[in-house]
Amino acid sequence: KQEVTQIPAALSVPEGENLVLNCSFTDSAIYNLQWFRQDPGKGLTSLLLIQSSQREQTSGRLNASLDKSSGRSTLYIAASQPGDSATYLCAVRRGNAGNMLTFGGGTRLMVKP
Amino acid sequence: GAGVSQSPSNKVTEKGKDVELRCDPISGHTALYWYRQSLGQGLEFLIYFQGNSAPDKSGLPSDRFSAERTGGSVSTLTIQRTQQEDSAVYLCASSRGEGGYTFGSGTRLTVV
Repeated sequence: KQEVTQIPAALSVPEGENLVLNCSFTDSAIYNLQWFRQDPGKGLTSLLLIQSSQREQTSGRLNASLDKSSGRSTLYIAASQPGDSATYLCAVRRGNAGNMLTFGGGTRLMVKP
Repeated sequence: GAGVSQSPSNKVTEKGKDVELRCDPISGHTALYWYRQSLGQGLEFLIYFQGNSAPDKSGLPSDRFSAERTGGSVSTLTIQRTQQEDSAVYLCASSRGEGGYTFGSGTRLTVV
């Protein structure tokens, strides 16, 4: 059974810092990995999608890497801003044909002005 | 539509009543998923649809929960005889092929 772990569970940083969020998964036979952001009381917003054949994806100040063999992904946020404060979730997809996502517990990020 | 639409956004119901939650996926997305997020908890998978069939309903917590999808589009999640432990945010997502999942804003269900 796939298990996804996110470290740290919570993080508080001053504005402007670069930071790294970690995600690990136990079964390396994944199809893709997706990072989401969730604001309090809201749904999930997709940030980055990495297919199993890819090593990284970038979008603006965000960069996500994937090391499938070691079961790890990192989300790098450059020059953090207070608006980045949210919970960040990683999720792995087991296979094609619509298999479900398995989510980590999330990292709750607070960026202080 | 442009995104996944869920209704209602909030629902307060009395214990023992039945509720229906609706999800309207992105047009052309063949796969549809229901997840549940209880207060302070992670996301819990409930059921997956491919077209109108549900190959995986392993996450439904009890026989009070059921879901259907019609026309390969709209899905309804029904909870019968609601209990207080059913209080949660119910999230719907859709996807197509090897693309990522797009989630709706969710329905916040409160059972009083």
